[in-house]
Amino acid sequence: KQEVTQIPAALSVPEGENLVLNCSFTDSAIYNLQWFRQDPGKGLTSLLLIQSSQREQTSGRLNASLDKSSGRSTLYIAASQPGDSATYLCAVRGGDSNYQLIWGAGTKLIIKP
Amino acid sequence: EAQVTQNPRYLITVTGKKLTVTCSQNMNHEYMSWYRQDPGLGLRQIYYSMNVEATDKGDVPEGYKVSRKEKRNFPLILESPSPNQTSLYFCASSLYRESPKLFFGSGTQLSVL
Repeated sequence: KQEVTQIPAALSVPEGENLVLNCSFTDSAIYNLQWFRQDPGKGLTSLLLIQSSQREQTSGRLNASLDKSSGRSTLYIAASQPGDSATYLCAVRGGDSNYQLIWGAGTKLIIKP
Repeated sequence: EAQVTQNPRYLITVTGKKLTVTCSQNMNHEYMSWYRQDPGLGLRQIYYSMNVEATDKGDVPEGYKVSRKEKRNFPLILESPSPNQTSLYFCASSLYRESPKLFFGSGTQLSVL
């Protein structure tokens, strides 16, 4: 059964720093992996999607990588800003016919001005 | 504006008092689902629906009911709520099950006393 783990659970860094959030998964037979952002009272927003055949995706200051063989993904945030403060969730979609999304518990990120 | 609307945002109730959380989407999506989010855990799927009149259990369906009589609406029903159903609930929709474009409602914080 797929398990998704995000470490650390919380992270606080000064504004301007580059940072990396980690996501690991136990079953490498995935369809894709997505990173989401969760803001209190605003639901979840998709940030980046990496297909199983891809190694990375970029959007603005965000870069997500995928290493299926090691069961790891990272979300790199460059030049962090206070507006980046949120909880970041990783979700893995299974490669079987169910296509179920399995979620990590998230990393709560605080960017200090 | 494309959106998923959940109501209410906050709900406090007592054990055993039936309640319904509504979810409506205006994007003509076929796939809709309900998740619950608890501290330290990833989102867990409660029920999902592939289309009208087609619903199925997710990972944690016990104590919940759903219906899909119309394409746009997917209410979550707790017939006899218990304290262990205190949680943050999200409704989500997408054009089809494995679509990368997943839209979330703003969430319903439920407290069962």
